[in-house]
Amino acid sequence: EVQLVESGGGLVQPGRSLRLSCTASGFTLDDYAMHWVRQAPGKGLEWVSGTSWNSGSIGYADSVKGRFTISRDNAKNSLYLQMNSLRAEDTALYYCAKDRNSSGYFYSGDAFDIWGQGTMVTVSS
Amino acid sequence: DIQMTQSPSSLSASVGDRVTITCRATESIKSYLNWYQQKPGKAPKVLIYAASSLQSGVPSRFSGSGSGTDFTLTISSLQPEDFATYYCQQSYRTPRTFGPGTKVDIK
Repeated sequence: EVQLVESGGGLVQPGRSLRLSCTASGFTLDDYAMHWVRQAPGKGLEWVSGTSWNSGSIGYADSVKGRFTISRDNAKNSLYLQMNSLRAEDTALYYCAKDRNSSGYFYSGDAFDIWGQGTMVTVSS
Repeated sequence: DIQMTQSPSSLSASVGDRVTITCRATESIKSYLNWYQQKPGKAPKVLIYAASSLQSGVPSRFSGSGSGTDFTLTISSLQPEDFATYYCQQSYRTPRTFGPGTKVDIK
């Protein structure tokens, strides 16, 4: 079964750091561009960051640029999101998601066809 | 950034109704438009990609149309399992922005 499982969420104080992980199973991660999408409680979806298959092309939302870093370890079939200088407005359920097509190209323009169940990040003192 | 709007923000409908949701981009995104369905407590699920292509496994009562700046998601005959929130997303340019969502509930 094709599956993504996120982990690493939790309660963290403002200004601190957290690292999220996403582990893939049922498919080869390095065939695909991968993304992080978040959803604040009761709110809509916000694309956070994405990476090509080899990390050669990476993008960030303006709201996280300079604070968050996306990375991947294809040998471990894993995607990561390092989140520094966390703010209250970063409180959200964080999903990892895979591109639908297997080009691995960040600018594929495709949809996200597989999503994890999400990991909750709460930033509060 | 490309901004996405959706209308209506919510609607009430009955089983069997034909439902139409509109999505608009602030600039042309050609056909790089995707539709997702999200049920409470669940991850989003892609329904339509590239404006009008039906994702594998998605019932044929769902269809998408449009290009440029104006797009539509249509559910031809609403079923009980279709009550959910629907989001459009542009994948033409980074950041891959989502619309604010349309909540479809039971009349």
